[in-house]
Amino acid sequence: EVQLVQSGAEVKKPGESLKISCKGSGYSFTTFWIAWVRQMPGEGLEWMGIIYPGDSDTRYSPSFQGQVTISADKSITTAYLQWNSLKASDTAIYYCARHPRYSTSSSSFDPWGQGTQVTVSS
Amino acid sequence: QSALTQPRSVSGSPGQSVTISCTGTSSDVGAYNYVSWYQQHPGKAPKLMIYDVTKRPSGVPDRFSGSKSGNTASLTISGLLGEDEADYYCCSYAGTFTSVFGSGTKVTVL
Repeated sequence: EVQLVQSGAEVKKPGESLKISCKGSGYSFTTFWIAWVRQMPGEGLEWMGIIYPGDSDTRYSPSFQGQVTISADKSITTAYLQWNSLKASDTAIYYCARHPRYSTSSSSFDPWGQGTQVTVSS
Repeated sequence: QSALTQPRSVSGSPGQSVTISCTGTSSDVGAYNYVSWYQQHPGKAPKLMIYDVTKRPSGVPDRFSGSKSGNTASLTISGLLGEDEADYYCCSYAGTFTSVFGSGTKVTVL
């Protein structure tokens, strides 16, 4: 079974750093992209960025460029989303999702991780 | 990259059909046949319902169908059931390995 399992909920203070994870299993981790998606409280989905673990090619939405860092460790089939200095406005649920190689001429996000709640409060 | 535009809400009675629109630009929806749709129930992760404009993943009922004309894509749910009440999001490829989501539509079954 193809699965993405994310790390647990986090409560942090403004200015702190954080790295959350997304572990893939049941498929070839290095031949699919992994995207990160933000959902702020009561709001919609926002595409943040995407990484190809095979060669670490990474793309960001202009809205998130410079605000977060996406990385992956293919040896442990895990992708990461990282902040150096959290703000209260980073409070949200963060999802990871798998995307096929763009060379396959197909685009979809499936499956999704269960989500990681990040709460930033003083 | 601005969010794709969806109606805030649509509603229908059981058995009826509802259609959700998703309007983008000639740089995303209009440029590629890579529109996908996601269903999200409260407190749950999104679920893929339609991809590449019209394709249905295994296990998704054929009551769900997708289409596209110009810069606007649409999701139609036929034979509405109570379990279809959820939020729905469209998503389009926007070039250079990036994507953009729609603003989301709440479907209410009356």
